[in-house]
Amino acid sequence: LAKTTQPISMDSYEGQEVNITCSHNNIATNDYITWYQQFPSQGPRFIIQGYKTKVTNEVASLFIPADRKSSTLSLPRVSLSDTAVYYCLVGGGYNFNKFYFGSGTKLNVKP
Amino acid sequence: GAVVSQHPSWVICKSGTSVKIECRSLDFQATTMFWYRQFPKQSLMLMATSNEGSKATYEQGVEKDKFLINHASLTLSTLTVTSAHPEDSSFYICSVPLAGADTQYFGPGTRLTVL
Repeated sequence: LAKTTQPISMDSYEGQEVNITCSHNNIATNDYITWYQQFPSQGPRFIIQGYKTKVTNEVASLFIPADRKSSTLSLPRVSLSDTAVYYCLVGGGYNFNKFYFGSGTKLNVKP
Repeated sequence: GAVVSQHPSWVICKSGTSVKIECRSLDFQATTMFWYRQFPKQSLMLMATSNEGSKATYEQGVEKDKFLINHASLTLSTLTVTSAHPEDSSFYICSVPLAGADTQYFGPGTRLTVL
């Protein structure tokens, strides 16, 4: 199982772009990379998923280098409501594997 | 994505009693669901995999006789915390994985407080 490493916390200001990097050196060939957002006392919410290169949706972008040993979640123009914990997970294969959560990154957005 | 609900959203019980938590997949048939536990300011910890039509599989260190899991149908899994104690107080979250997508959709969670 691929283990992930993220910064414990990050601070930002409203309107800034935030990049959170996750290391997953042991990622397997068929693993996808998925990011979740969690607010206090709520279940995690799916943000974005990718396999390689770049993926963009309406809320975020995900950058994955060629060696796939890391990934970067990019949140454009954050607001106070983006204050949350962000988890990077890797999961493998055509049959979903169990997801083991790392420590996550607590993003604090300041006014 | 899948819509997942949990009931109740919070529960308070006395020590020694049993508590049942339901997890429902509202728009997706799930042969597998996952149960997590989260203590304050900590990450989610996978407890067990709930399998429709067969026994649940538990992660190392999780007591299967204490945390009873029943996957009654393709849309319902239940977690029963038996003989609950204050140390079982936690946030319990279930998830529904989507095959082939390596994505899980999580329920809103259930806050259990054992007095």
